[in-house]
Amino acid sequence: DGGITQSPKYLFRKEGQNVTLSCEQNLNHDAMYWYRQDPGQGLRLIYYSQIVNDFQKGDIAEGYSVSREKKESFPLTVTSAQKNPTAFYLCASKDKTSTDTQYFGPGTRLTVL
Amino acid sequence: GESVGLHLPTLSVQEGDNSIINCAYSNSASDYFIWYKQESGKGPQFIIDIRSNMDKRQGQRVTVLLNKTVKHLSLQIAATQPGDSAVYFCAEKAAGNKLTFGGGTRVLVKP
Repeated sequence: DGGITQSPKYLFRKEGQNVTLSCEQNLNHDAMYWYRQDPGQGLRLIYYSQIVNDFQKGDIAEGYSVSREKKESFPLTVTSAQKNPTAFYLCASKDKTSTDTQYFGPGTRLTVL
Repeated sequence: GESVGLHLPTLSVQEGDNSIINCAYSNSASDYFIWYKQESGKGPQFIIDIRSNMDKRQGQRVTVLLNKTVKHLSLQIAATQPGDSAVYFCAEKAAGNKLTFGGGTRVLVKP
């Protein structure tokens, strides 16, 4: 069963705590992306990675960090420096060489209490 | 479900009618465009895409039209069904491997 998985589906954290969101894909895709979605807005790019051990900041990287130690995994850490972290977080992946189409995971809803 | 699209423009359509969803894009250098469907609480699902060397592309019950002169993209859904109720996003790609997304349109299908 191939695809992109994100866990957990719902996540709660207290203010001042860091939290890590998981994204895994078994599609053998080279590129992976993290987006944030807020009500009434489109998706905004946080970070992306086109190859293992390399990643670039997107449009709203402040307060977030990522790692890409394995091709299939691209975890996102929401740090305490992110002032408004409550949002729906979406991970996507893409076959770097053959297509421009990004495929999305089911998302993680993060709520700061 | 997710509170996605509380302030989104909404298109109400009668079941069985055709739907047209419009999108204005910003970058004349964009060479790839894509439409996604997002149901409440779920990730976006790929519908159809088109490259800038085309002006029309058809899929199953969907058609995407591209007008580069006015930087306009549209998605047409034929014989709209209740399962088509969702938020629809367009996205464009210019240089690099990044997509820029529009704000989305909510489609409500009335029985």
